[in-house]
Amino acid sequence: DQQVKQNSPSLSVQEGRISILNCDYTNSMFDYFLWYKKYPAEGPTFLISISSIKDKNEDGRFTVFLNKSAKHLSLHIVPSQPGDSAVYFCAASLNSGGSNYKLTFGKGTLLTVNP
Amino acid sequence: NAGVMQNPRHLVRRRGQEARLRCSPMKGHSHVYWYRQLPEEGLKFMVYLQKENIIDESGMPKERFSAEFPKEGPSILRIQQVVRGDSAAYFCASSPRVQVEQFFGPGTRLTVL
Repeated sequence: DQQVKQNSPSLSVQEGRISILNCDYTNSMFDYFLWYKKYPAEGPTFLISISSIKDKNEDGRFTVFLNKSAKHLSLHIVPSQPGDSAVYFCAASLNSGGSNYKLTFGKGTLLTVNP
Repeated sequence: NAGVMQNPRHLVRRRGQEARLRCSPMKGHSHVYWYRQLPEEGLKFMVYLQKENIIDESGMPKERFSAEFPKEGPSILRIQQVVRGDSAAYFCASSPRVQVEQFFGPGTRLTVL
């Protein structure tokens, strides 16, 4: 039962353009969402998060949008840089519940930014 | 400030052997989480520990798997009598308090022959 879905296994964009990574979830109880970035042979690194009380959170080149009615979130990277090439994981949690430490991850999207 | 450390980075075991995976959290972090990533899958929560206590092991297989976080030393994930299906990347994460913004180690890649 895949509660967090990243339907695009890979995405390729040109340097300087926008990268848009998508994520859907099925559990309406999720109230906190995170994006992690992972390079080969390394662990995931926290990138940006958003609470369900917001619909947008921005941090430099990275913006996360949340559409609760559609159970959809997206990560925008503008402008994309070759160093952004990595696997991006979407994750969700029940932050207001008793298990506010348990992350549910998607399968990841491999982003390749071409120079 | 060193990050989360895991060793070994790669571990090869034959079916029926035991695997011991170690995790040293970041300095000042007393909360440790273990996740498993099977091939072509996302990371899946296994267990959450604080010093000397297992808080939530709801993601752990009922048999052969155990975890501990002693007062001194690293957290250990132990898999007894490994089978081929245990082949995966095992990630440890830590945090200074219970939270979802967790700091991950580089993982241990377990291969069962």
